[in-house]
Amino acid sequence: SQTIHQWPATLVQPVGSPLSLECTVEGTSNPNLYWYRQAAGRGLQLLFYSVGIGQISSEVPQNLSASRPQDRQFILSSKKLLLSDSGFYLCAWNQDRDFTGELFFGEGSRLTVL
Amino acid sequence: GQNIDQPTEMTATEGAIVQINCTYQTSGFNGLFWYQQHAGEAPTFLSYNVLDGLEEKGRFSSFLSRSKGYSYLLLKELQMKDSASYLCAVIDSNYQLIWGAGTKLIIKP
Repeated sequence: SQTIHQWPATLVQPVGSPLSLECTVEGTSNPNLYWYRQAAGRGLQLLFYSVGIGQISSEVPQNLSASRPQDRQFILSSKKLLLSDSGFYLCAWNQDRDFTGELFFGEGSRLTVL
Repeated sequence: GQNIDQPTEMTATEGAIVQINCTYQTSGFNGLFWYQQHAGEAPTFLSYNVLDGLEEKGRFSSFLSRSKGYSYLLLKELQMKDSASYLCAVIDSNYQLIWGAGTKLIIKP
């Protein structure tokens, strides 16, 4: 069966520090991978998606970046965090790029920037 | 612009029935999802509607009216574990997934 894991679950970082969130998928090949941010009172915001190794599409211009070094690994990074980067980050995968299939989410990473 | 509206919060009693509404204004429509999200956890899939009508799955049912831009999620025989946020999401004409802010459902004994 397919599983998705992301880590760390919780982190508190000072403004200006770097960030690295990792996500891995098991039990499937060539998944579409996504990074979302969820802010209180707002819908899930798509940050990046990837349809294959090294292929990254950015939905929102910001100081975050994403990479996909392996088929089932997706990384969210920042060189210098801002206060506004605080939030709940979710990694997700599916097989259907048109979203007609279910999205499977990782456990989430709660980021607090102080 | 694209918009999905859901009530921010609802309260219901254990054992009762609750209906959570979702209205959408999007550039086209290719399907609608409902997800459940417990506090601090990841969303999990509940239902997918692409045609008008009611889809029933155990205690949960989801209804869609494309002409009205409207859906609802019906939860029967409420249990305390149903306390969660319920997210409505629509696939638009560009096959982008647009998310509502979610409805926080509080179940009281």
